[in-house]
Amino acid sequence: AQKITQTQPGMFVQEKEAVTLDCTYDTSDQSYGLFWYKQPSSGEMIFLIYQGSYDEQNATEGRYSLNFQKARKSANLVISASQLGDSAMYFCAMTPWGGGFKTIFGAGTRLFVKA
Amino acid sequence: DAGVIQSPRHEVTEMGQEVTLRCKPISGHNSLFWYRQTMMRGLELLIYFNNNVPIDDSGMPEDRFSAKMPNASFSTLKIQPSEPRDSAVYFCASSPEVFNEQFFGPGTRLTVL
Repeated sequence: AQKITQTQPGMFVQEKEAVTLDCTYDTSDQSYGLFWYKQPSSGEMIFLIYQGSYDEQNATEGRYSLNFQKARKSANLVISASQLGDSAMYFCAMTPWGGGFKTIFGAGTRLFVKA
Repeated sequence: DAGVIQSPRHEVTEMGQEVTLRCKPISGHNSLFWYRQTMMRGLELLIYFNNNVPIDDSGMPEDRFSAKMPNASFSTLKIQPSEPRDSAVYFCASSPEVFNEQFFGPGTRLTVL
C-alpha cells in the first residue's frame, strides 16, 4: 500500500536557523514523484518543491532543498535561514506513476519559527 | 494569470440539503483534483480528472458525492443529501499533467448543520 509518514507533528526553529522536516514513504512503484506543500494559517496550499524518483541530484528551490534518500525511502525538506513567514503546516506528498497516479499526502508537520 | 478559482468560499447549509461546489482550473491544465481536508482525516483525494475524464473516484466517500467536469474550464462537486460529517474544507487543484505539481484553489469551507 502507498503511504506517507511525517513523524513530527510540530517543530520549533529559531529565526535564521535551518530546519529539517522528515518524510518517509512507502510504495512498490519504481517511478514516482515526491512533493512538498506549505499551508499557512490562511489556509491555501502552496507548492514548494518536487523530486522525481529517477532524479540523481537533490532538488533545490531557493531556501528549500529536498534531501532524497531513495534506498531509505525518505524525502526530507530542509529550509535554510528560517523566516517568521515560514511558520505554517508542511505536507509531504507522493504521486506514484503506476496504478493511476493517485496522489497521497502525509499528515503534515506544523513549523513554528521563533524570533 | 488567474489561479484556480473556487466558489463559494464558505457554505453553511442544513442537513439534507444539496450542496454544489464549483471549480475553474488554470487554463491549459489537463488534470483536475478534488480534495477534502479535515482535522481527523487530513487531506484526502476524492476524485481526479484527466482531460475531463474521471480517472479515479475511489476516494469519494459515498454515493451522496458526485463530481463532473463537463469541459476543460469547469468542474463541480455535489453532495446530496448533505450530512454534518461532510463539514470540511474542500480543495480543488489543477496541474499541467497528472504527475506534475498541483496548484490549489483557496478552498470552500463547508459547514453542515
